[in-house]
Amino acid sequence: AQTVTQSQPEMSVQEAETVTLSCTYDTSESDYYLFWYKQPPSRQMILVIRQEAYKQQNATENRFSVNFQKAAKSFSLKISDSQLGDAAMYFCAYRNLEELVFGQGTRLTINP
Amino acid sequence: GAGVSQSPRYKVAKRGQDVALRCDPISGHVSLFWYQQALGQGPEFLTYFQNEAQLDKSGLPSDRFFAERPEGSVSTLKIQRTQQEDSAVYLCASSLVLNSVYEQYFGPGTRLTVT
Repeated sequence: AQTVTQSQPEMSVQEAETVTLSCTYDTSESDYYLFWYKQPPSRQMILVIRQEAYKQQNATENRFSVNFQKAAKSFSLKISDSQLGDAAMYFCAYRNLEELVFGQGTRLTINP
Repeated sequence: GAGVSQSPRYKVAKRGQDVALRCDPISGHVSLFWYQQALGQGPEFLTYFQNEAQLDKSGLPSDRFFAERPEGSVSTLKIQRTQQEDSAVYLCASSLVLNSVYEQYFGPGTRLTVT
């Protein structure tokens, strides 16, 4: 069974600085997708960024980028120029075929 | 267009009561998923549908949980004889088709509290 581990329950960063959230996963599959979701207090899960395992190039979306290390099964999220609106729970997720498998989440606090 | 909607947003049930949680997916989305999110945890898969067919219900925690999607659109998650351990946020997500490349769009969830 696939598992996703986020080892940082909480992280904080000063506004405008950069923060990296860690994620590792375990799978025997070679073709899969990895995601970072943001969940603000409203509970709505919002897709932040997606990475296809067959692509070697790391995905980027504006201030958000990932460091995907397939051999190490590592998938970290870097948030540059942190903004107050980035404060939320962040979940790393894996998807092979159907359902998403989520990590335990990291609560990100932005200090003004 | 409209996103995934869920109702009610909050539900308080006394232990032993039955509850029904509704999910309206994005129009035209074939796949529909239910997840359970306990307090302070990540969501965990319960079940999913492709149109009206329930293709996987391996995540349902007990036979008290039942999901249906009779016309391939709206889905209902029913919990019979609720227990305190059922207290959680129940998230619904829909996807255009059942394929990893397609994003799952989530609803705001229903927070169930069993007293």
